[in-house]
Amino acid sequence: DTGVSQDPRHKITKRGQNVTFRCDPISEHNRLYWYRQTLGQGPEFLTYFQNEAQLEKSRLLSDRFSAERPKGSFSTLEIQRTEQGDSAMYLCASSLEGTGTYEQYFGPGTRLTVT
Amino acid sequence: AQSVTQLGSHVSVSEGALVLLRCNYSSSVPPYLFWYVQYPNQGLQLLLKYTSAATLVKGINGFEAEFKKSETSFHLTKPSAHMSDAAEYFCAVDTGGFKTIFGAGTRLFVKA
Repeated sequence: DTGVSQDPRHKITKRGQNVTFRCDPISEHNRLYWYRQTLGQGPEFLTYFQNEAQLEKSRLLSDRFSAERPKGSFSTLEIQRTEQGDSAMYLCASSLEGTGTYEQYFGPGTRLTVT
Repeated sequence: AQSVTQLGSHVSVSEGALVLLRCNYSSSVPPYLFWYVQYPNQGLQLLLKYTSAATLVKGINGFEAEFKKSETSFHLTKPSAHMSDAAEYFCAVDTGGFKTIFGAGTRLFVKA
């Protein structure tokens, strides 16, 4: 068990560019979550997958954001036409349905800076 | 709707002193409650969780928390602070669905 991994760890981009982040969950986990964390705040829920199905999206996830989990394993989060307000840490987490504890395991995050 | 309030964005203690980080929650159904710790430039690590079993929950690194339904609280404590405890701590609530609501966090400083 290597834990949840995210790539890249850091991304600097110019306003208006597109960026894509990847998350690899713990291998047997069927639930995957994306959160956004800004300085001085706790993580805010963005979206959630159960296997390959995206079951919920936050209103924080504007039309410029899209997430996929094509085979129920890794997931990608794409931000189109980035804005300075998108600068944040993007966290991925995974969990296993059926354990009854709803414990999520977090990756190290991808820190996005939009200049 | 669920919510979490962490009282005090910063807490400073001396090494060896008691650590007390406060968390109050709001939930219309029995909640699952969590404390996570985050070190700089890292993800969140679970410290402990309450899932309706014992109200006093013991976690890693000597931390524990007590669920008090009457006070809607889930405060985190550690009898003796260590320098390595300096980090950001997040309280979180989950009502059994997919969505975990996090508090704004409390940064713990430990003075030598």
